[in-house]
Amino acid sequence: AQKITQTQPGMFVQEKEAVTLDCTYDTSDQSYGLFWYKQPSSGEMIFLIYQGSYDEQNATEGRYSLNFQKARKSANLVISASQLGDSAMYFCAMRELDNNNDMRFGAGTRLTVKP
Amino acid sequence: DTGVSQDPRHKITKRGQNVTFRCDPISEHNRLYWYRQTLGQGPEFLTYFQNEAQLEKSRLLSDRFSAERPKGSFSTLEIQRTEQGDSAMYLCASSSARGNEQFFGPGTRLTVL
Repeated sequence: AQKITQTQPGMFVQEKEAVTLDCTYDTSDQSYGLFWYKQPSSGEMIFLIYQGSYDEQNATEGRYSLNFQKARKSANLVISASQLGDSAMYFCAMRELDNNNDMRFGAGTRLTVKP
Repeated sequence: DTGVSQDPRHKITKRGQNVTFRCDPISEHNRLYWYRQTLGQGPEFLTYFQNEAQLEKSRLLSDRFSAERPKGSFSTLEIQRTEQGDSAMYLCASSSARGNEQFFGPGTRLTVL
């Protein structure tokens, strides 16, 4: 069964600094996708970045990059140059691409950016 | 705005009443998903539609829950005989046939008194 683990319930970062949010996953499938979503206090889930299990390079989207270590089954999100508006819940998720259409989410990490 | 929309945004109901939520996906997306999110947790998958066909249902979706997508466009999620444990945020998401990422709506927050 799929399982997503986010071990950091809360993280603090100084504005303009970089921060890494941890995510580990468990799957026996070879073809899967890893996702990060941001959920501000308004409640909407905002898609940030995607990494496919067969992608050889780490995904990047603007200030977001995904540190994908397949052998360790980790998919950490790195946010560079943090901004006050980055304060939110961040969820890591995985979907096994061949057989499943459900996406499993971790419990989330609350990021607070300090001025 | 051409994103996913959900209606209502908030619903307060008494235990035992029926409620229905609506989701309008991004217009060109043929895949639609329903999730439930309780406080302090990540979203949990409930069900998935490809066009009008409901292809997957989670064990979380008890007999009191039913979802439809009659014309392959908007979807409804109905909860019959609501219980206090049904209080949660109900999220809808959609994706295209080729895309892996799912785009979420703002959610419907249900409170059962």
